[in-house]
Amino acid sequence: GENVEQHPSTLSVQEGDSAVIKCTYSDSASNYFPWYKQELGKRPQLIIDIRSNVGEKKDQRIAVTLNKTAKHFSLHITETQPEDSAVYFCAAKVAGFQKLVFGTGTRLLVSP
Amino acid sequence: GAGVSQTPSNKVTEKGKYVELRCDPISGHTALYWYRQSLGQGPEFLIYFQGTGAADDSGLPNDRFFAVRPEGSVSTLKIQRTERGDSAVYLCASSFAESTDTQYFGPGTRLTVL
Repeated sequence: GENVEQHPSTLSVQEGDSAVIKCTYSDSASNYFPWYKQELGKRPQLIIDIRSNVGEKKDQRIAVTLNKTAKHFSLHITETQPEDSAVYFCAAKVAGFQKLVFGTGTRLLVSP
Repeated sequence: GAGVSQTPSNKVTEKGKYVELRCDPISGHTALYWYRQSLGQGPEFLIYFQGTGAADDSGLPNDRFFAVRPEGSVSTLKIQRTERGDSAVYLCASSFAESTDTQYFGPGTRLTVL
């Protein structure tokens, strides 16, 4: 089955810096890749997603890139703010299936 | 509009007891998912409903776990003979239709088995 690996497990940056989180997936049939932000004790919230027919997607300070050949995708956050501090999860969905397979999460800490 | 809701928010039970966890999806969403999230881990898929039927239950860990969605809206996850290893946050998510990728999560039920 699909396997998603996520790195780094923790990431500390200064306010205003950029942050990059990387994920790799194993099943080449995966076609949907969402990113969720989860604050302590709260629900995972979708922040951006990308489908396999697109190589990059941006939404203000957040962008996601997808390399289908290498089977990896990345989340880029620019001009980080303290409120960006949270755990970020990547996920992948294999075509024909509905379940999301999640990475193990990255704890992002943005220091003022 | 209202998001996915789950009750109770916290449930403490003793080993061997039976528990039920409830999920109310977003109104009009036909697809419903249950995931389990252990401390420090990403959510792990348990079961997926399209309408009233369980279309994929491949993530249920064993036959102590069962879920229903009798009217195609509210779903209940049932765990029999609970074990300490069942302690986790149980998350529910819904999406508009089977063909829609985006899943919206509820706040979860934190289950603690003593």
